[in-house]
Amino acid sequence: QKEVEQNSGPLSVPEGAIASLNCTYSDRGSQSFFWYRQYSGKSPELIMSIYSNGDKEDGRFTAQLNKASQYVSLLIRDSQPSDSATYLCAVRGRTSYDKVIFGPGTSLSVIP
Amino acid sequence: NAGVTQTPKFRILKIGQSMTLQCTQDMNHNYMYWYRQDPGMGLKLIYYSVGAGITDKGEVPNGYNVSRSTTEDFPLRLELAAPSQTSVYFCASSLRVAGTTGDTQYFGPGTRLTVL
Repeated sequence: QKEVEQNSGPLSVPEGAIASLNCTYSDRGSQSFFWYRQYSGKSPELIMSIYSNGDKEDGRFTAQLNKASQYVSLLIRDSQPSDSATYLCAVRGRTSYDKVIFGPGTSLSVIP
Repeated sequence: NAGVTQTPKFRILKIGQSMTLQCTQDMNHNYMYWYRQDPGMGLKLIYYSVGAGITDKGEVPNGYNVSRSTTEDFPLRLELAAPSQTSVYFCASSLRVAGTTGDTQYFGPGTRLTVL
């Protein structure tokens, strides 16, 4: 059973701080990794994808991947109250035919 | 370009009733998915389809059926509704190309289903 795990939170950070969200996965052959954001009562939307070891930056968001440790993280710099949401980590296996497995999500609250 | 649309938005069923949740996408995506999300939980895959005429089970298929006769439509059928099927149901679609890593899923707005 392939698994994706995340700290459920809630994670609370003050406005302007760095929020760090973590995700581990069990399938060592996984090749594609995604972070989705879900506001309360809304549907998930993709904010970052990463496929290679290292960091990938997009504005205030940085995704970090370490395949040897089977670990992927999302950093949010200069956190804003509008970043308050649940963040879902999703992982796809080694082929383009594999299913995407979602983690349980981490709830983030940014305190003004 | 409407993206992924779902109907209805809300529905209350009595135990033992049946219903079909509709999902349509206009992005010519090959992959389509049905998920359920229980309160405070992540997404659980019910069924998915890799193209018209091809469907497969996900993690939690029991109590559900799907069909995919066209690229655009992927309805989810609930037979003999049970309280355990009370959940929010999301349909999603993506364009997968063999041999590539990209796979952005686009989600519909969801259907909130209550079984009493």
